[in-house]
Amino acid sequence: DAGITQSPRYKITETGRQVTLMCHQTWSHSYMFWYRQDLGHGLRLIYYSAAADITDKGEVPDGYVVSRSKTENFPLTLESATRSQTSVYFCASNRRIRGGSSYNEQFFGPGTRLTVL
Amino acid sequence: QKEVEQNSGPLSVPEGAIASLNCTYSDRVSQSFFWYRQYSGKSPELIMSIYSNGDKEDGRFTAQLNKASQYVSLLIRDSQPSDSATYLCAVEGNTGKLIFGQGTTLQVKP
Repeated sequence: DAGITQSPRYKITETGRQVTLMCHQTWSHSYMFWYRQDLGHGLRLIYYSAAADITDKGEVPDGYVVSRSKTENFPLTLESATRSQTSVYFCASNRRIRGGSSYNEQFFGPGTRLTVL
Repeated sequence: QKEVEQNSGPLSVPEGAIASLNCTYSDRVSQSFFWYRQYSGKSPELIMSIYSNGDKEDGRFTAQLNKASQYVSLLIRDSQPSDSATYLCAVEGNTGKLIFGQGTTLQVKP
């Protein structure tokens, strides 16, 4: 059971370059999320997706683009990387728990450490 | 005002002691609450979920929820050095999104 995988795990790029971070989940979860984590800011939501072809902005979407043509994939693209986008990026997906009270549990991928020079 | 607040710590406890981590939230309609553990350089790992007022126990971990006072806590009994990590409190907002606190760093000293 692979769960959520992210690639690459480490990436160094230069200012102005386009970078795509990949996220793949094997659970067929509907909801997927992209976060960035920085010291002093905690986890911040960049974009999320409720299903294939449905995406929406989170707290810090500027400079990022997402797509979701298939349920299992949710790539994040930095169109023109800036130094302020140096961060650790986490992809996550929600598992819906159904019962007397339904709720979601969110699981994270291993992360991509991105450095923009 | 931050929506989910945690004391950043570090919280230092001796091995074998009870570690108590606290979290408050601002949105009264929140229904689902989570604790994640994050080791340095790793991704957050879900360790506890709680939805009803009261206590929920899982091994050495107990989550406590008080919706009237809008706080969630995590107790770790018989703390071990391997429990040293950052613990993130998360509250489910609308559309399945989680709102995270900044995290509390726990240090368990042998």
